Amino acid sequence: GENVEQHPSTLSVQEGDSAVIKCTYSDSASNYFPWYKQELGKRPQLIIDIRSNVGEKKDQRIAVTLNKTAKHFSLHITETQPEDSAVYFCAAAYSGYSTLTFGKGTMLLVSP
Amino acid sequence: DAGVIQSPRHEVTEMGQEVTLRCKPISGHNSLFWYRQTMMRGLELLIYFNNNVPIDDSGMPEDRFSAKMPNASFSTLKIQPSEPRDSAVYFCASSLAGAETQYFGPGTRLLVL
Repeated sequence: GENVEQHPSTLSVQEGDSAVIKCTYSDSASNYFPWYKQELGKRPQLIIDIRSNVGEKKDQRIAVTLNKTAKHFSLHITETQPEDSAVYFCAAAYSGYSTLTFGKGTMLLVSP
Repeated sequence: DAGVIQSPRHEVTEMGQEVTLRCKPISGHNSLFWYRQTMMRGLELLIYFNNNVPIDDSGMPEDRFSAKMPNASFSTLKIQPSEPRDSAVYFCASSLAGAETQYFGPGTRLLVL
């Protein structure tokens, strides 16, 4: 089955800095890669996703990149703000009628 | 839409008792997932239903866990008998189809003493 590794497990940045979270996956058939954000005590929520037919996708301060050859994908957050503090999960799946495999999560702390 | 609804939000029980968690998915969603979240193991998929049929239950820890989806608007996850190691947050999620764009419920925080 699919295996997703996520690094780092914790990340501390100053407000305004950029943050990068990296994930690798094992199954070359995977073609759907979402990122979920979970604030303390809340539910995970999808913030951005990317499919294998594109290499990069942006949404305001958030971007994801995908390298299918190397089987890794990354989340980039620019101009970080304290409200970006949360746990971020990457995941991978063969899209359609299948399940997500989640990474272990990265706790991002943005200090004012 | 009210989103995915779970009940109860908190449950405290004693070891050996039966626990039933409930979930109402978003109307029109065909896929439903039960997850368990702990600090040690992260977010684990327990079972996946598509059109009310269990498709993948390989994540169900053992026979003490069972899940049902009698209709498109209701699912239960039952633990009998419960053990302290079952203490976790249990999330239900639904989607239009499979892995994509899953909407999570607020979760049930279970504590087994």
